[in-house]
Amino acid sequence: SQTIHQWPATLVQPVGSPLSLECTVEGTSNPNLYWYRQAAGRGLQLLFYSVGIGQISSEVPQNLSASRPQDRQFILSSKKLLLSDSGFYLCAWRTGDRAQPQHFGDGTRLSIL
Amino acid sequence: AQSVTQPDIHITVSEGASLELRCNYSYGATPYLFWYVQSPGQGLQLLLKYFSGDTLVQGIKGFEAEFKRSQSSFNLRKPSVHWSDAAEYFCAVGAYSSASKIIFGSGTRLSIRP
Repeated sequence: SQTIHQWPATLVQPVGSPLSLECTVEGTSNPNLYWYRQAAGRGLQLLFYSVGIGQISSEVPQNLSASRPQDRQFILSSKKLLLSDSGFYLCAWRTGDRAQPQHFGDGTRLSIL
Repeated sequence: AQSVTQPDIHITVSEGASLELRCNYSYGATPYLFWYVQSPGQGLQLLLKYFSGDTLVQGIKGFEAEFKRSQSSFNLRKPSVHWSDAAEYFCAVGAYSSASKIIFGSGTRLSIRP
């Protein structure tokens, strides 16, 4: 069966520091991968998605970037964190079939001090 | 453009009472529809999905949803809620403009009254 792993679960970073959040999927190949951010008490904001290695689509202009160095690895990065980058970050995957749902990781709680 | 509306931001029901969470979508073709549940500090878990066929879909944890094309709705129901059902619920639709994206509603927070 397929599983998705996200780490770390919790992260506290100072303003201006770099960021790297990692997401990996097991048990499937060539998944579509997604990064979402969820502000406190709010819905999901799609940040990036990827349909293949090296292919990244950005949904909103921001201080963050994403990379997909391997088929089942998706990384969210920032060179300098802002206070507004605080939130709950979720990684998700799905197959290329749009009739299939997305499957989510357990999320990373990012707090910027 | 595709969109999903969950008109209720917060709903409180008594334990043992029935539940209906509303979802309306805007979509130009036969939609692919999903309901997810999110417990505090957790990721989203799929409750059920609709692709085609029977308009009443059964999901996990005793939930069901009914697709009504004439009303562009996909409401989630449960005949008797349990305290453990307290969570955030998201309706979502598969976007036809991209093979990759799913459009999520803004969510409904469910509280259970003892």
